[in-house]
Amino acid sequence: AQTVTQSQPEMSVQEAETVTLSCTYDTSENNYYLFWYKQPPSRQMILVIRQEAYKQQNATENRFSVNFQKAAKSFSLKISDSQLGDTAMYFCAFMKHDQGAQKLVFGQGTRLTINP
Amino acid sequence: DSGVTQTPKHLITATGQRVTLRCSPRSGDLSVYWYQQSLDQGLQFLIQYYNGEERAKGNILERFSAQQFPDLHSELNLSSLELGDSALYFCASSAIEVGPGNTIYFGEGSWLTVV
Repeated sequence: AQTVTQSQPEMSVQEAETVTLSCTYDTSENNYYLFWYKQPPSRQMILVIRQEAYKQQNATENRFSVNFQKAAKSFSLKISDSQLGDTAMYFCAFMKHDQGAQKLVFGQGTRLTINP
Repeated sequence: DSGVTQTPKHLITATGQRVTLRCSPRSGDLSVYWYQQSLDQGLQFLIQYYNGEERAKGNILERFSAQQFPDLHSELNLSSLELGDSALYFCASSAIEVGPGNTIYFGEGSWLTVV
């Protein structure tokens, strides 16, 4: 069974700083997807960024980028120029490429606070 | 707005009761997923339906059941409720298969409090 581990329960940085959230996963699969979801105080789950395992290039979405190390099974999220609105719980999630049956396995989350 | 609609947003009920949570997926999405988020268990996958058929099952209790109707909306039925069932229940949807260009989008969740 796949597992996802986020080793940082809480993090706190100043506005405009860069912060990196860690995520490791365990799988024997070769084809899979990795995601970062953001859950602000409103509790909605918002997709931040995704990465396909077959792609060597790291995904980037504006201020958000990932460092995907397939051999090390590591998938960290970097937030540049952090903003107050980035304050949220961040969940790393894994999904194997299984036609039809698609289950997200989530880590326990990292609570990120951006201070003014 | 993700396009996934869940009702009710909040629900308070007593132990032993039964409730039904409803979900309308994004337009065109055939897959519907249910997740439970509780303080002690984190985010747990419950069940997936694809075009009316059960496709994958997670840690869903026997007291819980779900279905997806021909119009693709889905309902999650929770019966013989216990205090420990208090949680945020998410519905999510995706296109036929997650791949390049599509992904899983979540609704705003239904808060269930069992007293």
